[in-house]
Amino acid sequence: SQQGEEDPQALSIQEGENATMNCSYKTSINNLQWYRQNSGRGLVHLILIRSNEREKHSGRLRVTLDTSKKSSSLLITASRAADTASYFCATAPSTDSWGKLQFGAGTQVVVTP
Amino acid sequence: DAGVIQSPRHEVTEMGQEVTLRCKPISGHDYLFWYRQTMMRGLELLIYFNNNVPIDDSGMPEDRFSAKMPNASFSTLKIQPSEPRDSAVYFCASSQQGYNEQFFGPGTRLTVL
Repeated sequence: SQQGEEDPQALSIQEGENATMNCSYKTSINNLQWYRQNSGRGLVHLILIRSNEREKHSGRLRVTLDTSKKSSSLLITASRAADTASYFCATAPSTDSWGKLQFGAGTQVVVTP
Repeated sequence: DAGVIQSPRHEVTEMGQEVTLRCKPISGHDYLFWYRQTMMRGLELLIYFNNNVPIDDSGMPEDRFSAKMPNASFSTLKIQPSEPRDSAVYFCASSQQGYNEQFFGPGTRLTVL
């Protein structure tokens, strides 16, 4: 079963706007990661946030983690048409000592010019 | 580094035929993962290896699927006999130290007629 669940399933915005998507999970984690997948391509790692971190930035990306609520959010600021993609959260359960990631179903983001 | 390499990129075969997918991980990575992605089921982990040893194959759908990693630079996923429901995009990914970011290959799009 999928550990992480993204919300919303789909998001349509205009260039320049911010895009926010959320991820909820069920069990305690070692870290949480966000990936992007462009149509017809493999997943690309965006950012990793550890369980003892609350916020992390990378360029136009901002990720927050609330372990008490078992949730994370990904914010893309000043979106561009090139940000059109599916975004997945993946959790590394702390109960798994080998490093298996559990991926959510993804949020499909469309950025129109 | 060239990244994770997968071959073939596309495979069309008929039901009952044997299919072999190939993967070359990034040099120095000690974890290798095989995933399957479909619209209905999303991204599923099939099996993963650590230092060429299979760690968890609980995601392998059935005995028709098998995976090997004879050395650190090569892995195969074999389906025999193939069925139409095996049609999907199969991704290989590699990482260092398990919980770290995973690097995905471009995928193999398999169509079983």
